[in-house]
Amino acid sequence: QKEVEQDPGPLSVPEGAIVSLNCTYSNSAFQYFMWYRQYSRKGPELLMYTYSSGNKEDGRFTAQVDKSSKYISLFIRDSQPSDSATYLCAILNNAGNMLTFGGGTRLMVKP
Amino acid sequence: KAGVTQTPRYLIKTRGQQVTLSCSPISGHRSVSWYQQTPGQGLQFLFEYFSETQRNKGNFPGRFSGRQFSNSRSEMNVSTLELGDSALYLCASRKGPGTDTQYFGPGTRLTVL
Repeated sequence: QKEVEQDPGPLSVPEGAIVSLNCTYSNSAFQYFMWYRQYSRKGPELLMYTYSSGNKEDGRFTAQVDKSSKYISLFIRDSQPSDSATYLCAILNNAGNMLTFGGGTRLMVKP
Repeated sequence: KAGVTQTPRYLIKTRGQQVTLSCSPISGHRSVSWYQQTPGQGLQFLFEYFSETQRNKGNFPGRFSGRQFSNSRSEMNVSTLELGDSALYLCASRKGPGTDTQYFGPGTRLTVL
C-alpha cells in the first residue's frame, strides 16, 4: 500500500462546476498537507498548504484535512478551463525536507 | 525574483552512459531537493541537500547521487543509465530547515535509449 493514495482520474467537468479532489494517507504522524497543481510540461506549483486538521480557503480553492479518517480534499468552486491540469496531493515529513506525493488526478474543465 | 532553474531542459542518453543535471535555487534558498517523476511511479523523492550536506535520501540505488555547492547550486548524477531512468527530474528549493514551502523548477526530461 502506498503512503498516499489518489484517484488518477481523468475527471472531466463542465465550466462552472464544483470540483472535489481527494487523497488518503496511511501515516497518522503527518502534520503538513499540500496541494500542488502541475500543467503539462511544467513543474508542480503549490496551491494550498494546511497544517493539521481543518479547512483553509484561498479564493476559489478550499483545502480540507480530516486526520481522524486520514483524508485530505481540495475543492475548486466555479471551475475554469484554465484549471485543467494535474492536481497532486502531498504530505511533508516532520523534518520538512521530504514530500510524499499521491499519484495525481488529471482534471479537465470543458468550456 | 527568479524561480528555480534547471539545465538542461531535455536530454537524450543511451544505456550505460552517465548524466549530470543542474539546479539553481531561488536566490536566498539554501535547501535543494530532487524528485523523479514517471508515469508509473509518480513523483518520488531522491535526496535533499542543505549547506552542502545531504540531509535525507529516498529509496533509490547508489547510481543516483548528488552534491551541493557553496552557492547552493546543486547537481545530480546518474551513472550507468538504464531504460527505467527515463523520467522528468525535478528540483525544488526552500529557504532552509523547517517546514518552509518547496518551490519546483520546470524539470529536466531525460530519455534513455
